[in-house]
Amino acid sequence: DAGVIQSPRHEVTEMGQEVTLRCKPISGHNSLFWYRQTMMRGLELLIYFNNNVPIDDSGMPEDRFSAKMPNASFSALKIQPSEPRDSAVYFCASSLMDRVQPQHFGDGTRLSIL
Amino acid sequence: AQSVAQPEDQVNVAEGNPLTVKCTYSVSGNPYLFWYVQYPNRGLQFLLKYITGDNLVKGSYGFEAEFNKSQTSFHLKKPSALVSDSALYFCAVRAYTGGFKTIFGAGTRLFVKA
Repeated sequence: DAGVIQSPRHEVTEMGQEVTLRCKPISGHNSLFWYRQTMMRGLELLIYFNNNVPIDDSGMPEDRFSAKMPNASFSALKIQPSEPRDSAVYFCASSLMDRVQPQHFGDGTRLSIL
Repeated sequence: AQSVAQPEDQVNVAEGNPLTVKCTYSVSGNPYLFWYVQYPNRGLQFLLKYITGDNLVKGSYGFEAEFNKSQTSFHLKKPSALVSDSALYFCAVRAYTGGFKTIFGAGTRLFVKA
């Protein structure tokens, strides 16, 4: 079974550049989540969607971050302009929209902003 | 406020010995509790969940967890640890905060020594 697919797996770019992280959720899942993981702050929920609609974006750090989900099989997280403090591992997860269902995580994008 | 606490940053155990990774929670209403494991350079993987019913829940890779309502705990256990169990373990609770949201603990790193 195909799991959650994230691309790229690694991204190194210079400060000020635009960064786009991509996610393909598991087919049939109707909830999608973006997380950021760092040593200092642990795992942080940035935003989540139900049925392609953003429900809670209170975790998005600032206006430089945006996310979209134009259809059920694709989501993108964009950072513009990027800053060194954005360096982290970004995870996408999907699940069925049911309180008892677990989330399925992709293997993440390791982002380094120089 | 809804919260999850993993009081130990790290747990060390010898191979073959039993292991326990602790988790306590604070939620209003009935909790839906989960354990996930993260191996290096991978996303979180679902291990087991408690929704209702039997307080002892069995999951993947020989892990189990015991739900204790009076102590608001959901400790992860395994009777005999393997070196390959060394990983980062996250406890999570799904709780209603104006919508159902998953709250993750800070994680506990498990080291199993041969």
